[in-house]
Amino acid sequence: GESVGLHLPTLSVQEGDNSIINCAYSNSASDYFIWYKQESGKGPQFIIDIRSNMDKRQGQRVTVLLNKTVKHLSLQIAATQPGDSAVYFCAENMDNYGQNFVFGPGTRLSVLP
Amino acid sequence: DVKVTQSSRYLVKRTGEKVFLECVQDMDHENMFWYRQDPGLGLRLIYFSYDVKMKEKGDIPEGYSVSREKKERFSLILESASTNQTSMYLCASSLVRFSTDTQYFGPGTRLTVL
Repeated sequence: GESVGLHLPTLSVQEGDNSIINCAYSNSASDYFIWYKQESGKGPQFIIDIRSNMDKRQGQRVTVLLNKTVKHLSLQIAATQPGDSAVYFCAENMDNYGQNFVFGPGTRLSVLP
Repeated sequence: DVKVTQSSRYLVKRTGEKVFLECVQDMDHENMFWYRQDPGLGLRLIYFSYDVKMKEKGDIPEGYSVSREKKERFSLILESASTNQTSMYLCASSLVRFSTDTQYFGPGTRLTVL
């Protein structure tokens, strides 16, 4: 199987519970953030994004919260399902041209039956 | 939907071989990127391109080169593969140059160099 994320922090949640995955970012000037989901053997998949002029953004079953004061980003997944099991990582945009993203190492989410 | 495809899912090469990894996107995106992904590390940018025949070095360009002859295709070349280039290689694309657009990724190529 894939070896991506061998040494990643792991979050285990019961099916149906809510999940919260956290990410600390480095640059207080970063203005755009993305959460990606990466299933085993697949490329990262866009989940949700947020710009720095917002504190919260909601999608389908997912919510991203941005706390610029402490440079913290979180992804909340409501009613976690087995299909949510994956590695989740955040990306911050480091410059205004949009080309320079820094990606976090990720958190492995395991959904228990 | 944006579709980014990569030529191989798995590749095994020998030290010293020349390796080509190909990436194609079908959404007329201006920007294309090559990353490598290693266990416990975030994605690291190797090269990117914002136009045909244009390329820019990323954070770890040593040992790699790229080619963008057509807008939809971006190739990563390992001139002489080495074992420390064993990794997962991910291609991505995004819409326009000077904007903070989402990057969309391909499925990845897992390269093993023996």
